Amino acid sequence: AQTVTQSQPEMSVQEAETVTLSCTYDTSESDYYLFWYKQPPSRQMILVIRQEAYKQQNATENRFSVNFQKAAKSFSLKISDSQLGDAAMYFCAYRASYTGTASKLTFGTGTRLQVTL
Amino acid sequence: NAGVTQTPKFRILKIGQSMTLQCTQDMNHNYMYWYRQDPGMGLKLIYYSVGAGITDKGEVPNGYNVSRSTTEDFPLRLELAAPSQTSVYFCASSERVLASRYGYTFGSGTRLTVV
Repeated sequence: AQTVTQSQPEMSVQEAETVTLSCTYDTSESDYYLFWYKQPPSRQMILVIRQEAYKQQNATENRFSVNFQKAAKSFSLKISDSQLGDAAMYFCAYRASYTGTASKLTFGTGTRLQVTL
Repeated sequence: NAGVTQTPKFRILKIGQSMTLQCTQDMNHNYMYWYRQDPGMGLKLIYYSVGAGITDKGEVPNGYNVSRSTTEDFPLRLELAAPSQTSVYFCASSERVLASRYGYTFGSGTRLTVV
């Protein structure tokens, strides 16, 4: 079974600085997708960024980028120029590429990010 | 476009009571899921469905039941509520074609407290 591990329960960053959230995963599959979700106090789950395992190029979305290391099974999220609105719980998630798994997402336990002035 | 709608947003149940959490989506998604979120535990899959009439258990199905009579609706039933079912519940949906490329569309969650 696939597992996703987020080893940082809490992180803190100053406004305008850069922070990196860590995620590792375990799978025997070669083709899969990885995601980072943001959950603000409103509880809504918001997709931040996704990465296809077959792509070597790291995904970027504005201030958000990932460092995807397939061999190491590592998928970290970098937030640049941090803003107060970035304060939230961040979840790393894995999804196998074949539909035989009903495309279920497996989540990590989350990292709570605080942004300070 | 409403996306995924969950009701209610909050509910307090007494031990032994039962209730149904409603979930409906208007995107014609085949795949639907129910997760529970406990502090420090991430999201755990309760049940999922790949289409109308087809449901299957996830990681933590005990104490819950589901049905999928239509593509749009995927209600979650709690029978004999227990304090261990105090949690935040999320419903989500996904397309079938190229489903894995994308994440889910989530509902806004239901905070359930069993006292």
